[in-house]
Amino acid sequence: GQQVMQIPQYQHVQEGEDFTTYCNSSTTLSNIQWYKQRPGGHPVFLIQLVKSGEVKKQKRLTFQFGEAKKNSSLHITATQTTDVGTYFCAGRGSGAGSYQLTFGKGTKLSVIP
Amino acid sequence: NAGVTQTPKFRVLKTGQSMTLLCAQDMNHEYMYWYRQDPGMGLRLIHYSVGEGTTAKGEVPDGYNVSRLKKQNFLLGLESAAPSQTSVYFCASSLVAGATEAFFGQGTRLTVV
Repeated sequence: GQQVMQIPQYQHVQEGEDFTTYCNSSTTLSNIQWYKQRPGGHPVFLIQLVKSGEVKKQKRLTFQFGEAKKNSSLHITATQTTDVGTYFCAGRGSGAGSYQLTFGKGTKLSVIP
Repeated sequence: NAGVTQTPKFRVLKTGQSMTLLCAQDMNHEYMYWYRQDPGMGLRLIHYSVGEGTTAKGEVPDGYNVSRLKKQNFLLGLESAAPSQTSVYFCASSLVAGATEAFFGQGTRLTVV
């Protein structure tokens, strides 16, 4: 079945440093989504990427979808304490009848003030 | 504007007991999902539904049953709880399977002793 690998599992950064998490799928994806989960909270949708090579920005967050639609990344510039949480990627397969999102295991970000 | 509501929020069960987790959404979404979240394991899909009266197995369905008698509700049942089912359970819904934002409930923290 489809597998989505996400690295690193943990990342500790000093406030103001940059942060990147990477997501790799074993199969070609139809689209990829990113979610953020604050400590004790529930996953909240950040963005969806659909096109090969797509790049989207949300303020200090930059999301990329690989040319082969098998990998993606989330980059945060100049982290703030409000960025603390776990970031998940979730991919949907490209086969017919793909109803499921397969989630990566997440990257837990800690920001040291 | 409630979104996705899960009940209960917390529960402690003894091994062998049964219980039902209720998920309700008010967004008229066709697709609903039950995930479990364990430390370091990300979100794993238990069962999902593509519409009223339909259910399907996800990645980790053993020990769970589901029902979708009404479009707005998706029930997750544990017939005979085991300590391995200690987890945080999240329900989610989406307008289009895997291709639009998934809205998550607040989660149910279940402990089986």
